[in-house]
Amino acid sequence: EADIYQTPRYLVIGTGKKITLECSQTMGHDKMYWYQQDPGMELHLIHYSYGVNSTEKGDLSSESTVSRIRTEHFPLTLESARPSHTSQYLCASSEASGRASDTQYFGPGTRLTVL
Amino acid sequence: KNQVEQSPQSLIILEGKNCTLQCNYTVSPFSNLRWYKQDTGRGPVSLTIMTFSENTKSNGRYTATLDADTKQSSLHITASQLSDSASYICVVSDRGSTLGRLYFGRGTQLTVWP
Repeated sequence: EADIYQTPRYLVIGTGKKITLECSQTMGHDKMYWYQQDPGMELHLIHYSYGVNSTEKGDLSSESTVSRIRTEHFPLTLESARPSHTSQYLCASSEASGRASDTQYFGPGTRLTVL
Repeated sequence: KNQVEQSPQSLIILEGKNCTLQCNYTVSPFSNLRWYKQDTGRGPVSLTIMTFSENTKSNGRYTATLDADTKQSSLHITASQLSDSASYICVVSDRGSTLGRLYFGRGTQLTVWP
């Protein structure tokens, strides 16, 4: 079992609220990622980070923002949640050896529902 | 366009039976292919990883094969158990970027009945 944690596991919130999804890992991995996954669909990369103070947007455009102030922590923030943000959000991390074969370890995910 | 297609979309089998899941990809340049298992409400967990030169890899009752020429992979599950019920996701990595970009299939939802 990978040492990567996400909180909350489930969140139901009203439109317009600001939310932060937490992700922490204790493996000392430099690379971290946020994915969005809808039921029956593939994972889409929305943000990634190579290390502290490094953040990049992924393939799927997202209104969320991320920060990487500490190696182990990679929170995702939505300033104003909308029903279209309803989805499962998965956080992952991997070593920064530069090899494409580095395995990504996933957290359990946060299921977000915006009413 | 880099894509990963999986079949079947869903599969129901009886406990103890074997099954094979398929994955076709068009990702280029190819680096490696992984099979992940995703239990309901959980994050994916890596089962196997194969590079271009490998054509088979086993992990317990899971055996993955890779044909890099036809760009096809399969995951064979032997003597299925109830705990095998999950989504199995094929993930292909390219070597065209330092990130090692991953391309995900939509998964095959496997249900094992007693």
